[in-house]
Amino acid sequence: DAGVIQSPRHEVTEMGQEVTLRCKPISGHNSLFWYRQTMMRGLELLIYFNNNVPIDDSGMPEDRFSAKMPNASFSTLKIQPSEPRDSAVYFCASRQGANTGELFFGEGSRLTVL
Amino acid sequence: GENVEQHPSTLSVQEGDSAVIKCTYSDSASNYFPWYKQELGKGPQLIIDIRSNVGEKKDQRIAVTLNKTAKHFSLHITETQPEDSAVYFCAAPQGSNYQLIWGAGTKLIIKP
Repeated sequence: DAGVIQSPRHEVTEMGQEVTLRCKPISGHNSLFWYRQTMMRGLELLIYFNNNVPIDDSGMPEDRFSAKMPNASFSTLKIQPSEPRDSAVYFCASRQGANTGELFFGEGSRLTVL
Repeated sequence: GENVEQHPSTLSVQEGDSAVIKCTYSDSASNYFPWYKQELGKGPQLIIDIRSNVGEKKDQRIAVTLNKTAKHFSLHITETQPEDSAVYFCAAPQGSNYQLIWGAGTKLIIKP
């Protein structure tokens, strides 16, 4: 398996623009996580899906952020409108089990909002 | 909720020496403690984990120890090599285990 695949790897955009980050989890994994990593706040869980259903979105910063998982092999994280404080590395991770086990991370999407 | 503290934030050791990174947690109900390694430009990767029914686990040059009474766990790397240079994160579960609370990370530098 190729692992968790994220795109784009790098995104530079201007404030106010819409940003869409994409993730393909490992086949057979039924849990998917979106994390944000910054120097100031470390790794923050944004949202967790189990069997394509959002279970916990309490980490989503505000209404500008939304995430979807239309099927078991694809998820998106959208920011609209983007702001400079959204600049961070966004990671997608998947796991086989619902409540335990190894998290497999993608290589991340580095977002810069000017 | 769970709180995880990790020390030190930066650790510099001579190649061949040992490195130890420590984490404390607050929730006595936590029962699973993983360590992840993050190399530059990559996502974190699990290197070792321990469950609360054991006190130590080893995998070649890496070991993790757990002290449930004191609520702390440590990562030990022996015979350090240049490829061990990375940021290391500890974590502990909160609530139903799907959510991991992460330490702030330790940047390990191996000096040649």
